[in-house]
Amino acid sequence: EAGVTQSPTHLIKTRGQQATLRCSPISGHTSVYWYQQALGLGLQFLLWYDEGEERNRGNFPPRFSGRQFPNYSSELNVNALELEDSALYLCASSSYGGGPQETQYFGPGTRLLVL
Amino acid sequence: SQQGEEDPQALSIQEGENATMNCSYKTSINNLQWYRQNSGRGLVHLILIRSNEREKHSGRLRVTLDTSKKSSSLLITASRAADTASYFCATLGEETSGSRLTFGEGTQLTVNP
Repeated sequence: EAGVTQSPTHLIKTRGQQATLRCSPISGHTSVYWYQQALGLGLQFLLWYDEGEERNRGNFPPRFSGRQFPNYSSELNVNALELEDSALYLCASSSYGGGPQETQYFGPGTRLLVL
Repeated sequence: SQQGEEDPQALSIQEGENATMNCSYKTSINNLQWYRQNSGRGLVHLILIRSNEREKHSGRLRVTLDTSKKSSSLLITASRAADTASYFCATLGEETSGSRLTFGEGTQLTVNP
């Protein structure tokens, strides 16, 4: 069974540009989560999508947005990039959004560098 | 801000020794999960323990959970050089609107051959 996949592996942008990151969940999973791992800030929750809807959002500005497609894959968009957006962006998927049985499985991440 | 805290922040041991990492959290949880991360790559899920469980085993891993103290520990027995990685605990909160994992700051484990 294929795991969570993410593309691209690395992304280099300049300040002010837009970045688009993509994620494909494990087959059969309907929930997709995005996390940011920045140096010195640890792993922070960004967004949760389930069945095409945004279900929850972390403490990030509106220039971080995303969507989930009918095939459950997801896109994270970061507009007006700032230097501090440089981080590893991790996508995870699960078969059920919430509850004591939920396990989130992570992809390999996209490393975004903003110059 | 991070809810969880792990200690120690860094741990260095010899191959064959046991490694114990601790995690504390602040709010009520549905479950607590441990993940491993190698060299800034993706997270590998190790084990999940539900809030009504006290101990769980998986291979060389043993996890305990004390909800009264809001703490958990991860024990890796007979460690190997390949266990060298960062280990994170993550909690799934009880809040009905959530499904977010809240991560601790991680323990960097180095196993010397």
